[in-house]
Amino acid sequence: GESVGLHLPTLSVQEGDNSIINCAYSNSASDYFIWYKQESGKGPQFIIDIRSNMDKRQGQRVTVLLNKTVKHLSLQIAATQPGDSAVYFCAEAFNQFYFGTGTSLTVIP
Amino acid sequence: KAGVTQTPRYLIKTRGQQVTLSCSPISGHRSVSWYQQTPGQGLQFLFEYFSETQRNKGNFPGRFSGRQFSNSRSEMNVSTLELGDSALYLCASSSQGDWRNTIYFGEGSWLTVV
Repeated sequence: GESVGLHLPTLSVQEGDNSIINCAYSNSASDYFIWYKQESGKGPQFIIDIRSNMDKRQGQRVTVLLNKTVKHLSLQIAATQPGDSAVYFCAEAFNQFYFGTGTSLTVIP
Repeated sequence: KAGVTQTPRYLIKTRGQQVTLSCSPISGHRSVSWYQQTPGQGLQFLFEYFSETQRNKGNFPGRFSGRQFSNSRSEMNVSTLELGDSALYLCASSSQGDWRNTIYFGEGSWLTVV
């Protein structure tokens, strides 16, 4: 089946620094991508999405970059805050949504 | 606007039993999908319904089934429960007819099979 892989299972950053979470996706035909944040005991929360006709999209403190050449997706969080500590998933839409196992982000005060 | 609501939040079942989980989508959303989340496998797609029709199905055995009602509410059922079915079951809804759009998750139903 399809696989969406994350390069790092855990990431620790200092409060105020920028965070970058990476994701490799499998299928070059995937045309829609989403980043989710999941806090302990809660369901995944939508952060930002991007379609394959774009290579960059910005939200509030977050930016998603898409590199279709190498099938790579990244999530950048500016000025990381303690409340950003969570597991982050990327998802690709091919014939269904495929999710990675996630990267656990820990923000150090 | 209320989010996706799932019930029950927590439940414990015995092997061999069956379970039904319920999901109420965001008001106006007609697409409902279900996912299983486990520590080892992450989020895995079960099935997706739109206007009471199953549009897509993941690679799960026939013990996993679902349905959608005319008010877009959905249920999923797992029969003959196995220990490996212990997981967080997540429901997500979307407003779009095209499934390649943002899906919004509920808080999930935690199922423990003993």
